[in-house]
Amino acid sequence: DIQMTQSPSSLSASVGDRVTISCRASQGISNYLAWFQQKPGKAPKSLIFAASTLHRGVPSKFSGNESGTDFSLTISSLQPEDFATYYCQQYYSYPFTFGPGTKVEIK
Amino acid sequence: QVQLQESGPGLVKPSETLSLICTVSGSSVSSASYHWGWIRQPPGKGLEWIGSIYYDGSAYYNPSLKSRVTMSVDTSKNQFFLKLTSVTASDTAVYYCARLLWAARLPYFDHWGQGTPVTVSS
Repeated sequence: DIQMTQSPSSLSASVGDRVTISCRASQGISNYLAWFQQKPGKAPKSLIFAASTLHRGVPSKFSGNESGTDFSLTISSLQPEDFATYYCQQYYSYPFTFGPGTKVEIK
Repeated sequence: QVQLQESGPGLVKPSETLSLICTVSGSSVSSASYHWGWIRQPPGKGLEWIGSIYYDGSAYYNPSLKSRVTMSVDTSKNQFFLKLTSVTASDTAVYYCARLLWAARLPYFDHWGQGTPVTVSS
């Protein structure tokens, strides 16, 4: 199975901050990487697929990047509605695997 | 708009079978463009992919659950199903169904249901 790791596991940030979350795959996955946002008690929401393509309706303050087996999700200007847990997931091979999540909290 | 809704018992006894239904609206489970999946999340933990199924019944399961999982599709009702046998307390989780959009290699998640909590307890 492909292992996904994320860093940091949590972070505190202020409204307006630029925030970057990292995700690393244990082997090459090309760009078959997705990002999700999950708020407490809610279902995950799909943000990005193919490492950097935003799903329809996702604001452009979210962006994704890839460099080899390292991926990142950046929120350009954190807003109150962005405080949530973010997960990465590879869909390069079965079984699909998720990262452990990064919780973005209010400073 | 695309909507997925999970349904099923919220409480299952140990050793019994967990059965869930996902009812889809705004999209067709018989479309060749999509796969349909189940994902679970134990309390306070991360996401685990259970498996995915295509309209023709071909399914892919997580090896960690494969011996206990069966998925199926009913195109006439626009529903798909999850059965998990011999459940234990470790199967207690919120169960989500989701649509996956076919991509060049493997499909990716786009729409999710709201989730249904399942507790395994006697």
